[in-house]
Amino acid sequence: KNEVEQSPQNLTAQEGEFITINCSYSVGISALHWLQQHPGGGIVSLFMLSSGKKKHGRLIATINIQEKHSSLHITASHPRDSAVYICAVRSGSGGGADGLTFGKGTHLIIQP
Amino acid sequence: DAGVTQSPTHLIKTRGQQVTLRCSPKSGHDTVSWYQQALGQGPQFIFQYYEEEERQRGNFPDRFSGHQFPNYSSELNVNALLLGDSALYLCASSHSHLEVWQYFGPGTRLTVT
Repeated sequence: KNEVEQSPQNLTAQEGEFITINCSYSVGISALHWLQQHPGGGIVSLFMLSSGKKKHGRLIATINIQEKHSSLHITASHPRDSAVYICAVRSGSGGGADGLTFGKGTHLIIQP
Repeated sequence: DAGVTQSPTHLIKTRGQQVTLRCSPKSGHDTVSWYQQALGQGPQFIFQYYEEEERQRGNFPDRFSGHQFPNYSSELNVNALLLGDSALYLCASSHSHLEVWQYFGPGTRLTVT
């Protein structure tokens, strides 16, 4: 069973700061998701990675398969980025949308 | 496109009762996964349905069961509710079991008293 660890658990920053959230997992994966969850529960998928780096607006996600580590970066952070960011991995050699294993999430607060 | 919808939004039940939660997948999606998220925790995988069959199951007791209908919508049933079943129940859909990108619904908040 894959163990997913996120750090930090809680992060408070000022508007405009560069934010980094880290995710480590214990066994090989076929894909890694970064998800955003706002108060009330709605979850939005931000990225799905299996290698390299992806960028969408102010969000950048990277993954190092050899080190079993991924990072989510937010540039020029804004109060509307305040949310819980969750890392989730799919184990296995590929094929089949197996259930994801989730980290506990990082609670991010961006203060004006 | 309505995206993934879930009903009800909130639900309060008494210990020992049974509950049914519903999920309609995003248009064009045929695979539905259910997750339980306790307060302050990450979601945990319950099971996944594809072609009206349970395709994979997480570490949840038999009190948790489900169903998928021919229109791909799904139900999650929980029998003999325990206080510890209080959680946010999330449904996610994807296009065939080969697609890992999942779209999540808003969740159903279940409180067991």
